[in-house]
Amino acid sequence: EDKVVQSPLSLVVHEGDTVTLNCSYEVTNFRSLLWYKQEKKAPTFLFMLTSSGIEKKSGRLSSILDKKELFSILNITATQTGDSAIYLCAARGGSNYKLTFGKGTLLTVNP
Amino acid sequence: EAGVVQSPRYKIIEKKQPVAFWCNPISGHNTLYWYLQNLGQGPELLIRYENEEAVDDSQLPKDRFSAERLKGVDSTLKIQPAELGDSAVYLCASSGTFNTGELFFGEGSRLTVL
Repeated sequence: EDKVVQSPLSLVVHEGDTVTLNCSYEVTNFRSLLWYKQEKKAPTFLFMLTSSGIEKKSGRLSSILDKKELFSILNITATQTGDSAIYLCAARGGSNYKLTFGKGTLLTVNP
Repeated sequence: EAGVVQSPRYKIIEKKQPVAFWCNPISGHNTLYWYLQNLGQGPELLIRYENEEAVDDSQLPKDRFSAERLKGVDSTLKIQPAELGDSAVYLCASSGTFNTGELFFGEGSRLTVL
């Protein structure tokens, strides 16, 4: 059975801190790994990773994939209160290209 | 460009009652998904459509859940009869390519079964 595990499940930091969120996966016929940010509504797309070792960056957020060790990390530097959200990791694979989500990491950034 | 639209946003019903959720995907997106999200959990796939064909419904509890996507655009997800354990957020998503593209989510329909 395909599985995605995220850690930590929750994290509380102060504004300005740097955080690293982890995602490990076990997915047959792996195709890609996606990161989403979910506030009190729809998950919004952050990154899609398909190749190992190539960092994707958007402002203060960056992510990288390791296909050998089957994990990805999401880094957020100089955190702001607006970064408070649930961060979801999902791996696409299987015979149906199914997207399997992890439980998410709840990030709380305090002022 | 309009995003994925879902309705209703909130629904409260008593157990054993029926309920239906509606989704309008992004224009031109052939792939449509229904996900269930329980509190503290990631979304779980219920069904995926390619145009009007349900290509993955292996996780849909077919004894009480049904879905349709007539004409390959809008979709409806129905629960009949609802049970207490069905209380959750039902998310609809669409994508332009089914095997590689990112998913765009609607804001979800939050169901409370009393």
